[in-house]
Parts: sequence; C-alpha cells; structure tokens
Amino acid sequence: AQSVTQLGSHVSVSEGALVLLRCNYSSSVPPYLFWYVQYPNQGLQLLLKYTSAATLVKGINGFEAEFKKSETSFHLTKPSAHMRDAAEYFCAVSEAAGNKLTFGGGTRVLVKP
Amino acid sequence: ETGVTQSPTHLIKTRGQQVTLRCSSQSGHNTVSWYQQALGQGPQFIFQYYREEENGRGNFPPRFSGLQFPNYSSELNVNALELDDSALYLCASSAGTGGTGELFFGEGSRLTVL
Repeated sequence: AQSVTQLGSHVSVSEGALVLLRCNYSSSVPPYLFWYVQYPNQGLQLLLKYTSAATLVKGINGFEAEFKKSETSFHLTKPSAHMRDAAEYFCAVSEAAGNKLTFGGGTRVLVKP
Repeated sequence: ETGVTQSPTHLIKTRGQQVTLRCSSQSGHNTVSWYQQALGQGPQFIFQYYREEENGRGNFPPRFSGLQFPNYSSELNVNALELDDSALYLCASSAGTGGTGELFFGEGSRLTVL
C-alpha cells in the first residue's frame, strides 16, 4: 500500500522568503510523485511530477522538488515566495502512470507581506 | 482545447437522498477518475473509468457508483446519502492509464448533505 505524509498542515512565510514544503511517501514499487496546488474554490493544478527521470524536477511558477529515494522524500521548494503562492499544496504518489493517486493531507501556505 | 468541466458546482441534499454528479473530460482524454475531498483533507480516490469500464476502485461502499459514456464523459452516483458524504467531488481526466500519468482536474462539485 502507498501513503503520503506532509509535515505541517500550515506554513507561514514572508514574501521573498524560501518556501519549503515537506513530503514523505511509502510505496512498494518505484513511485510516481506529484505536487498539486489548489487555490480557493478551485480544482487541483499540477505543479510538477517525478517519473523516474531526473531526481531534481522543475515545475511551474518557480517551484522545484527533489526526489530522494534513501529518505523516501519529495520536498517542494521555491526560492522566493510571492503573494500569489498562497494556496494549499498536495503531494501525491501513484504506483503506475495514470493509476490512482494517493494524496497527503495538504499544507496550506500563507504569504505575509 | 476544452478542460474538464463538472456540474453542478454546488448542491444541497438531505440524508437518504440520491445524487448524480457529471463530468466532461478534456478533449482527447479517455480516462476519468473521481475523488472525494472532505473539508481540510486531501482528495481520496473513489474509482476510475477507462473506455467505459471501471478500472480500479478505492475504499468506498457500493452506494458510490459510476458510469462512463462513449464520449468519455462520466457520472458519479451516490445513493442513500449520509452526512459524511458532504465534500468536494473532483473529477480528473487523463489520456489513457499509461504515459506520464498526469491528471487534469475540474473545479469540483461541492455537495452538502443535511
């Protein structure tokens, strides 16, 4: 069975500061890993995905994530937070491409001016 | 290119009633997945349809059922509604069950059960 743990349900950062969202997963097979963002009253938008290619994955809006197999982690970072980054972020894992996603509980990001 | 659209966007039902939610997949996509997102939680997989057949199901009771039509649009039906069914129901489409596995989500149908 696969599972995802996101450390910290809420993160507060100042505008211009580093954003770091933590994600640890468990999977019995090499995983596919995803980060999604959800703005208020909207669906989920894919930020980036890891599918066994480069371990450092670059996504949209300046976000990137690094797959570390030894730590079973896939943390999301952005060097400089912007007000528009205020949203909820979900890490997800699947055991096969196009298969069901298992999501973490989400981390809500607040950006302070 | 038309994205994933869901209807209705909001609805209120009472316990014991039945509800049907609808989803039109993105153009060119033949796979639809449904997720339930309770307030303050991450989405949970309900089931997936590929070429009109169920292709995987999560830990949801049989009163959650679905259909996929020849044009790849889909319905989610929930019978005998319970208070805990109150949630945002998300539909996602993808181009087959392989490839990069990217899902494209609609904005959801928010169901309130009173």
